[in-house]
Amino acid sequence: KAGVTQTPRYLIKTRGQQVTLSCSPISGHRSVSWYQQTPGQGLQFLFEYFSETQRNKGNFPGRFSGRQFSNSRSEMNVSTLELGDSALYLCASRESWGQYEQYFGPGTRLTVT
Amino acid sequence: DQQVKQNSPSLSVQEGRISILNCDYTNSMFDYFLWYKKYPAEGPTFLISISSIKDKNEDGRFTVFLNKSAKHLSLHIVPSQPGDSAVYFCAASVSFSGSARQLTFGSGTQLTVLP
Repeated sequence: KAGVTQTPRYLIKTRGQQVTLSCSPISGHRSVSWYQQTPGQGLQFLFEYFSETQRNKGNFPGRFSGRQFSNSRSEMNVSTLELGDSALYLCASRESWGQYEQYFGPGTRLTVT
Repeated sequence: DQQVKQNSPSLSVQEGRISILNCDYTNSMFDYFLWYKKYPAEGPTFLISISSIKDKNEDGRFTVFLNKSAKHLSLHIVPSQPGDSAVYFCAASVSFSGSARQLTFGSGTQLTVLP
């Protein structure tokens, strides 16, 4: 099976702009989670989608939003970008939201200038 | 409030020696623990896991130990190889809303294995 894919891999945006990141999970996986990785902070959980519904959400402001489509592909949107949003955004998928292990994509490196 | 902590941001070990990576947690509801390895420009990949009903799990050169009373787990790599140089993340799993599970990650430890 193909792994989790994320597009684009790299992105440079200006403060105040918005951005949309895309994630295609492993075939058959219905759960998609998003994480933000910054130096020293590890992976911070953003939200998880399962069957097109947001099931769980981390402690991030409302500028961060997402959605999932019927084919399980997911998008994450960040509006009114701030310099502190510069990070690696990782998407992970699993068959169901009760499964322990998650499979990660390579991430999207977002730089906000 | 960091529920999963990796207090050592970096660790250097000589090739062939043992690498020990540590992780502490505070939430006693965590019942499953995982280690992920991450190379630059790649996503984290699953390495090894352990259930809270066990105290040790071994897979080749990798062994994870769990001390529930101390809320501490460690990953041992023996012998260490230069290809093991990566960032290692500790993660803990808890169930919520019935069967749903959430992973909480530590901040990672950069392991460098010197040839």
